[in-house]
This record gives sequence, C-alpha cells and structure tokens, in this order.
Amino acid sequence: EAGVTQFPSHSVIEKGQTVTLRCDPISGHDNLYWYRRVMGKEIKFLLHFVKESKQDESGMPNNRFLAERTGGTYSTLKVQPAELEDSGVYFCASSHLRGSTSTDTQYFGPGTRLTVL
Amino acid sequence: AQSVTQPDIHITVSEGASLELRCNYSYGATPYLFWYVQSPGQGLQLLLKYFSGDTLVQGIKGFEAEFKRSQSSFNLRKPSVHWSDAAEYFCAVNTGNQFYFGTGTSLTVIP
Repeated sequence: EAGVTQFPSHSVIEKGQTVTLRCDPISGHDNLYWYRRVMGKEIKFLLHFVKESKQDESGMPNNRFLAERTGGTYSTLKVQPAELEDSGVYFCASSHLRGSTSTDTQYFGPGTRLTVL
Repeated sequence: AQSVTQPDIHITVSEGASLELRCNYSYGATPYLFWYVQSPGQGLQLLLKYFSGDTLVQGIKGFEAEFKRSQSSFNLRKPSVHWSDAAEYFCAVNTGNQFYFGTGTSLTVIP
C-alpha cells in the first residue's frame, strides 16, 4: 500500500511569489490534514478535510493560504503571495476512521520544505 | 490550553545504551497519546500510541512508553539503542479535533 506522498519535496521561492503544494493521501482515507513546522518549533495543525469538505481550518495562519481537496482525493495548499515567515516544512497526513477522530492514527507524508527568500 | 512539552531538544547516546525521551502534556480530558519518529527524508512514522488500559505500551522497533497520569507524562524508552535509531522524535496528543505536537527531540547515536 502506497503511503502519503507530497510534492514537491523542496521549494525555494521569492517573497511575493505563489507556491502550490500537493498531497496525495493513502487511497480510501477520507480524513486529510495539513500541518506546518517552522524551524525549531512544534508541528502545528493547519486544517482538516473530511472528503472534500473542510472540517476544521482554525489553524490556517491567514487568507494568503488556500487549501482545496476537489473530489475528495488529493489536496493542494496554495500560498499566495508568500512571505518570509511562511518558510517551514509542510506535512500532510491522512486517516481512514470516521466518527471520532480521537483515536485516529494519522499517517504522515515526508513533508515539503518551503523556503521563502 | 492543550500543549505538549519535550524538554530535551537534543540527546546523544552511545550505541547499546538505554534511552529515555521525555514528554509532558497538558490536557483536561482523557489524553490520546502518540510517539512518532522522523528519519531524514522520511515522513513521520508512528512508533506507538496510548488510548486506555495498560499504561505501559509497546511499539515498533523495540520502543515502549509509559503513561503516568499523575505526572502528565508519556516518556518513551528503549533498553538498547541502535545506530539506526538516530532520528527526530515527536510526542503528540490527539484531542479529537487536532493533534498537538511537541517541538521534537533529536537523537544522535554514537558508536
């Protein structure tokens, strides 16, 4: 079974540019999560999809970030325009349990390292 | 507010030595606790998890963790470290809505 994949693995862009990150969850997983880790800090929750619907986007930093999951399969996270403080590693995770997510095991991708210059 | 603290940013141990990584959490209800490991270039891999029952949980790669409610801790242990255990380790609590992670502990293993 293929794991969670993310593309690209690295991205270096200049301030003001746009970047789109992609996440392909494990097949059949309805829950998809985005997280971000700024260097030296904890991994922080950004948002949660259940299929194509946003269940919780309370962790999104601001309106420069837009996440989509059309069709309930893969997801994209667009940053437009990028700022210096957006640099970090963006992780995607997926899980398949429905109902209570307390006991969900989330399976993580390798992350996309974003550097904004 | 929920939080997870990993007080050790970096730990160095000799191969074959025992290991304990500390994790303290702050959460008002029953915690669902996890340990993940990230090797270079890899995603976070689940080592073990605690939901209820026996407070000593066994995981993969010879790791175990003990949940101590009185101390709000969920420390990770391994009796004998292998060079391949060098990685970054993350403790996390799942509140049902979100995962809260600690800042991670980077483990170096010396021969």
